Amino acid sequence: GQNIDQPTEMTATEGAIVQINCTYQTSGFNGLFWYQQHAGEAPTFLSYNVLDGLEEKGRFSSFLSRSKGYSYLLLKELQMKDSASYLCAAVDSNYQLIWGAGTKLIIKP
Amino acid sequence: DGGITQSPKYLFRKEGQNVTLSCEQNLNHDAMYWYRQDPGQGLRLIYYSQIVNDFQKGDIAEGYSVSREKKESFPLTVTSAQKNPTAFYLCASNLGQGPYNEQFFGPGTRLTVL
Repeated sequence: GQNIDQPTEMTATEGAIVQINCTYQTSGFNGLFWYQQHAGEAPTFLSYNVLDGLEEKGRFSSFLSRSKGYSYLLLKELQMKDSASYLCAAVDSNYQLIWGAGTKLIIKP
Repeated sequence: DGGITQSPKYLFRKEGQNVTLSCEQNLNHDAMYWYRQDPGQGLRLIYYSQIVNDFQKGDIAEGYSVSREKKESFPLTVTSAQKNPTAFYLCASNLGQGPYNEQFFGPGTRLTVL
């Protein structure tokens, strides 16, 4: 079956760095998305990786290892507004998104 | 401004009633999707449509119905056959199948069955 695993909840301190991991098992693979979702709101796009390696975009970076079925989202210089859920979604061979349950990130002052 | 609109934002329904959730996009996207999100769970696909007048069932289609008569619109009907309809419903759209086709989301409709 197809499966995405990510931690349920993480806590970090304002100004620090946090890494949110995601492992996936899918029928075929056509890339991996990271979305941010504030409570009660719609998910918003953060990143897309299809090749191995690190993609950096400001304070956020995303890494992919296709051979290990593994990705992470790295958030630097954490701000209170980064408190949200972070959703990992892998694209299968039919170009359907398989979603993880999301990681709730709590930022403390 | 281009985007996706969903209405209403909050919806209350009595058991046994059908209810229709609206989704409209002006992004000129071919594909549209309906997801359901429950607390502590990921997004689960209800229905999707790649082209006008055609749609496919997702993982949890039972108790739901859709139509796609216009490219811009993809309404979802939650029928009385859906046993546990209270949830947050999200509509999304993108250019269609293919790599790097980011899905854009509407603001969501929170449905509560009383």
